[in-house]
Amino acid sequence: EVQLLESGGGLVQPGGSLRLSCAASGFTFSSYAMNWVRQAPGKGLEWVSAIRGSGDNTYYADSVKGRFTISRDNSKNTLYLQMNSLRADDTAVYYCTKDYGLGMSEPFDYWGQGNLVTVSS
Amino acid sequence: DIQMTQSPSSLSASVGDRVTITCRASQTISSYLNWYQQKPGKAPKLLIYAASSLQSGVPSRFSGSGSGTDFTLTISCLQPEDFATYFCQQSYSSPRTFGQGTKVEIK
Repeated sequence: EVQLLESGGGLVQPGGSLRLSCAASGFTFSSYAMNWVRQAPGKGLEWVSAIRGSGDNTYYADSVKGRFTISRDNSKNTLYLQMNSLRADDTAVYYCTKDYGLGMSEPFDYWGQGNLVTVSS
Repeated sequence: DIQMTQSPSSLSASVGDRVTITCRASQTISSYLNWYQQKPGKAPKLLIYAASSLQSGVPSRFSGSGSGTDFTLTISCLQPEDFATYFCQQSYSSPRTFGQGTKVEIK
């Protein structure tokens, strides 16, 4: 059974940093691209970042480029999102997601439970 | 970025109704269109991928159609557990953008 278990969220002041983790199990982690998707309170879904299975290629939404860094440790089956220079509009539930297949145009077939990040003074 | 526009933003329906939600892309996306269901406080769940392929375990009352720029999600016979918010998503190009959501409420 595929499981994605996120951790690391919480309350942080504007300008601060936070690192999210997503522990994966039930599939060959190193084979699949992984993503972070966020949802501000009462709002829709926004793709944030993606990383290919090997970790060699990373992608970011313009809204987080230069502030967030996605990475993975395939030996630990864990995905990370390092978030720096956090702003109030980064407040959201952050989900890690798994790509459905091995291509470049995949849906997200599994989602973590979500982890709330609140940026406030 | 490709913009995804869903309509309506919300709808009220009764158990047993046939419900249709539409999603329009700002440019052609072939059949790279996915549908998700989200219930309050829960993560989204993949229902339909590649416009019309039913994800494993999803009831057959859900169906999707369309290609190019215009797509539909149909629930043939609405069940109590189907009251939720539905999002479309294009996976044709990065960033993989979502529609704003359609909330299906009980009439």
